[in-house]
Amino acid sequence: GEDVEQSLFLSVREGDSSVINCTYTDSSSTYLYWYKQEPGAGLQLLTYIFSNMDMKQDQRLTVLLNKKDKHLSLRIADTQTGDSAIYFCAETRRNSGNTPLVFGKGTRLSVIA
Amino acid sequence: EADIYQTPRYLVIGTGKKITLECSQTMGHDKMYWYQQDPGMELHLIHYSYGVNSTEKGDLSSESTVSRIRTEHFPLTLESARPSHTSQYLCASSRVEGEKLFFGSGTQLSVL
Repeated sequence: GEDVEQSLFLSVREGDSSVINCTYTDSSSTYLYWYKQEPGAGLQLLTYIFSNMDMKQDQRLTVLLNKKDKHLSLRIADTQTGDSAIYFCAETRRNSGNTPLVFGKGTRLSVIA
Repeated sequence: EADIYQTPRYLVIGTGKKITLECSQTMGHDKMYWYQQDPGMELHLIHYSYGVNSTEKGDLSSESTVSRIRTEHFPLTLESARPSHTSQYLCASSRVEGEKLFFGSGTQLSVL
């Protein structure tokens, strides 16, 4: 399909790991991004991965990229209540026409204390 | 830390009013964008600009207009607001197309 796909909701217990999944569409995408949006705020760039990488780790965040399946995931270790937010994945598309980045619909992460 | 600012943060107005949502960035970015965000979270690109005097319509048709007279400033105008315009409006910029976007905090618009 043409859309960047994400599951809409994820609920985890505090202290557990969260895994947010994304399926993108353009195998020639150069960068793939994860953004975080807290209630009533704009989007904040969380992390990104270059397409020639399989994994990127940044403190509690681990990004995994499976280019064959066009699958991107974000793992948050030791999830805290402050991680409750909406998480968007986004891809660049070579022949995107008007669209600079293509965003998924967002995954709402709820952390239960 | 992103230096992109949107004002006002919240706006409640009556139907038929003309409004301008402001967006400014101090990073010298040529590319600027306006997104409309549904209450259900999805982002829709409504306008973008590649530089001064450049404006283009995005993927979602919008009754709003934009202008880009200065690099740092990308205001969005609604000539006659309607309740269907009630939404969150997010401004963003990037150094080059396809590169990471920096977002403002958004303007939550409510039209009564």
